[in-house]
Amino acid sequence: EDKVVQSPLSLVVHEGDTVTLNCSYEVTNFRSLLWYKQEKKAPTFLFMLTSSGIEKKSGRLSSILDKKELFSILNITATQTGDSAIYLCAVEAGNTDKLIFGTGTRLQVFP
Amino acid sequence: DSGVTQTPKHLITATGQRVTLRCSPRSGDLSVYWYQQSLDQGLQFLIQYYNGEERAKGNILERFSAQQFPDLHSELNLSSLELGDSALYFCASSVATGNQYFGPGTRLTVT
Repeated sequence: EDKVVQSPLSLVVHEGDTVTLNCSYEVTNFRSLLWYKQEKKAPTFLFMLTSSGIEKKSGRLSSILDKKELFSILNITATQTGDSAIYLCAVEAGNTDKLIFGTGTRLQVFP
Repeated sequence: DSGVTQTPKHLITATGQRVTLRCSPRSGDLSVYWYQQSLDQGLQFLIQYYNGEERAKGNILERFSAQQFPDLHSELNLSSLELGDSALYFCASSVATGNQYFGPGTRLTVT
């Protein structure tokens, strides 16, 4: 059965800290891995990764994929209170377009 | 704002009832996906439609059904509602594969 596992489940940090969120997967016919940020309601897209070793970067956020070891990390540097959210990892696999989501990492950033 | 709209925002109904959730995808997106998010289970894929046809099915109960109309909007029908059906229901859309844009969700409460 396809599965996506995220760790840690929850993270509490102070503003300015750097955090690393982990996502590992076991799926058949991997196609892509996506990161989403969910604040109050709808998940919003952060990154889509398809190739190993190529870092995607957007401001203080960056992500990389390792297709050999079947995991991805999401890094957030110089965290701010506005980064507080649930970060979701999802994998697109198999012959369909459906996304298989992990349970998410809840990040809380305190001033 | 992702461009995906969902109605209603909130729905409170009694056990045994039937409800319809509505979703309008982003302009130009042919694929519509339905997800259920409950506190203990994370985001679970229910069903996907592509240009009016069912494309993939996930963990969707037999009491639930969906369709996509010629104008590409989609409806998710939930019948014989149970307390355990209380959740956030998200619709997402995409052009093809990869990134999916999520709507704001419909919060369903079954009492």
